[in-house]
Amino acid sequence: AQSVTQLGSHVSVSEGALVLLRCNYSSSVPPYLFWYVQYPNQGLQLLLKYTSAATLVKGINGFEAEFKKSETSFHLTKPSAHMRDAAEYFCAVSGEGNNRLAFGKGNQVVVIP
Amino acid sequence: EAGVTQFPSHSVIEKGQTVTLRCDPISGHDNLYWYRRVMGKEIKFLLHFVKESKQDESGMPNNRFLAERTGGTYSTLKVQPAELEDSGVYFCASSQGASLKLFFGSGTQLSVL
Repeated sequence: AQSVTQLGSHVSVSEGALVLLRCNYSSSVPPYLFWYVQYPNQGLQLLLKYTSAATLVKGINGFEAEFKKSETSFHLTKPSAHMRDAAEYFCAVSGEGNNRLAFGKGNQVVVIP
Repeated sequence: EAGVTQFPSHSVIEKGQTVTLRCDPISGHDNLYWYRRVMGKEIKFLLHFVKESKQDESGMPNNRFLAERTGGTYSTLKVQPAELEDSGVYFCASSQGASLKLFFGSGTQLSVL
């Protein structure tokens, strides 16, 4: 079985500051890892995914994540936060390369002007 | 191109009543998924259709939930009779072929009183 841990349900970041959202996974098989974002009143949107190729994955809107097997982590970063980054972010894992995903509880990001 | 459409966006019913949620996937997407997020918890997988066939329904909570996808187009998720613990946001998502990119609808907020 696969699972994901995201700590800190609410994350506040100042505009222009680094955004760092932590994700640790558990998987009995090589994982496929995802970050999804949900903007207010919208569906979840794929930010980026790791599928066993490059360990540093670049996504949309300036986000990137690094897969670290030794740490079982897939943290999401963005160098400089914008007001439009205010949203809820979900880390997810799939152990079979399919879309049956196990999600973390999500991080609600608030950007402070 | 239209995205994944879900309706209603909100539904408030009393315990013991029946509710039917509908999802229209992106045209041409054979894969259709239902997920649910109970307040304060993770988004959890419910089931997966490939065209009109149930590929995986292992996440369905119990037999009060019935999902259908007649003709392989839109899908319905019926809860009968609804219980208090069924409250939450029900998400539908679709994908094309073997793609690991899910397109989500904005969800149906179900409140059972």
